[in-house]
Amino acid sequence: AQSVAQPEDQVNVAEGNPLTVKCTYSVSGNPYLFWYVQYPNRGLQFLLKYITGDNLVKGSYGFEAEFNKSQTSFHLKKPSALVSDSALYFCAVRGPNFGNEKLTFGTGTRLTIIP
Amino acid sequence: DAMVIQNPRYQVTQFGKPVTLSCSQTLNHNVMYWYQQKSSQAPKLLFHYYDKDFNNEADTPDNFQSRRPNTSFCFLDIRSPGLGDAAMYLCATSMTAYSNQPQHFGDGTRLSIL
Repeated sequence: AQSVAQPEDQVNVAEGNPLTVKCTYSVSGNPYLFWYVQYPNRGLQFLLKYITGDNLVKGSYGFEAEFNKSQTSFHLKKPSALVSDSALYFCAVRGPNFGNEKLTFGTGTRLTIIP
Repeated sequence: DAMVIQNPRYQVTQFGKPVTLSCSQTLNHNVMYWYQQKSSQAPKLLFHYYDKDFNNEADTPDNFQSRRPNTSFCFLDIRSPGLGDAAMYLCATSMTAYSNQPQHFGDGTRLSIL
């Protein structure tokens, strides 16, 4: 069975500082990894994905994520945090097979950027 | 812009009174999903349609049903809502069932039970 762990429920970062939101995964075969962001009373918004290729993936709003196969991690990063980045972030994984539609989410990390 | 639209954004119903939530998409995606999300927890998949093929999750209560009359629309029916069904309900789509496709979410319907 596939699973995702987001070890931090809450991350606080000062505005302008780099941020990291951690994610580790477990899946059979090569993983397809995703990051989503959720603002209050909104749906989930796709940020970026790792399918194959370069381990550093760039996404929306200046976010990037680094895939590390040996550590089974896919941490979300941004060089300089903005107050508007404050939101709930979900990491998600799917297995590599066609028809494996189920997206397994982590429990979410609430990111707060302090002005 | 192509998008996933959920109506209404807020729905209040009475305990035991049937309620229907709707989702429409202009993305022309083959797959449509319904999720339940409680109190900023991870979304929980209820079921999905691949085209007209319905796929129910094993732990989805029988109280929850779904209809997809055409490519663009999908409905979530809760036959007899209980207090525990109060939640945000999210609709999502993906182009195909290939695992590398991201899902596109609507803004959800927040359901309250009186």
